[in-house]
Amino acid sequence: NAGVTQTPKFQVLKTGQSMTLQCAQDMNHEYMSWYRQDPGMGLRLIHYSVGAGITDQGEVPNGYNVSRSTTEDFPLRLLSAAPSQTSVYFCASSYSMRQVNNEQFFGPGTRLTVL
Amino acid sequence: DAKTTQPPSMDCAEGRAANLPCNHSTISGNEYVYWYRQIHSQGPQYIIHGLKNNETNEMASLIITEDRKSSTLILPHATLRDTAVYYCIVSPGNSGNTPLVFGKGTRLSVIA
Repeated sequence: NAGVTQTPKFQVLKTGQSMTLQCAQDMNHEYMSWYRQDPGMGLRLIHYSVGAGITDQGEVPNGYNVSRSTTEDFPLRLLSAAPSQTSVYFCASSYSMRQVNNEQFFGPGTRLTVL
Repeated sequence: DAKTTQPPSMDCAEGRAANLPCNHSTISGNEYVYWYRQIHSQGPQYIIHGLKNNETNEMASLIITEDRKSSTLILPHATLRDTAVYYCIVSPGNSGNTPLVFGKGTRLSVIA
């Protein structure tokens, strides 16, 4: 299994540009989520999904869109990039949120800079 | 907001036990305590979780007080590779679709 993969690893955008951060997992996990991590800070939840076709907002959803058309993929879209969205973005997945041992597996992250 | 309180940083000598405390005084009866760690800019990694009994696995031990208001993660023989930020999280586990909420964690530095 490749686990959780994220592309790209690095990205530089100009203010106002849009882009999609890709996340995929090959573990047949129901649950997937996106976090952002600013320098020296903990992770903040952006959006999450408990299954294909179901998404919900986390702590900091503004400026981001998600969709979950398949179990494997959970892309994160930046609609109009702003410098405040400069961050490291982590995608995570787990088998199910309905079981205790919902160990989350994290991807390697995408480092985004918005100029 | 995170429901846990952790010291921002700790040091530990290599080969000694690292004891990382976590306060979760408002924990509910159905909430578990989870520990994750994040090694320098990598994605977080699951370590261990527990409800009220002490737990041990190949990575660490988790000691939860009887009143469940605090817990301690123990790395029995810390190595330089254990240098990381450690996150203590409380979550309902299997009672609903509740995502994990990360705080700022404890930055553990293992010193040779």
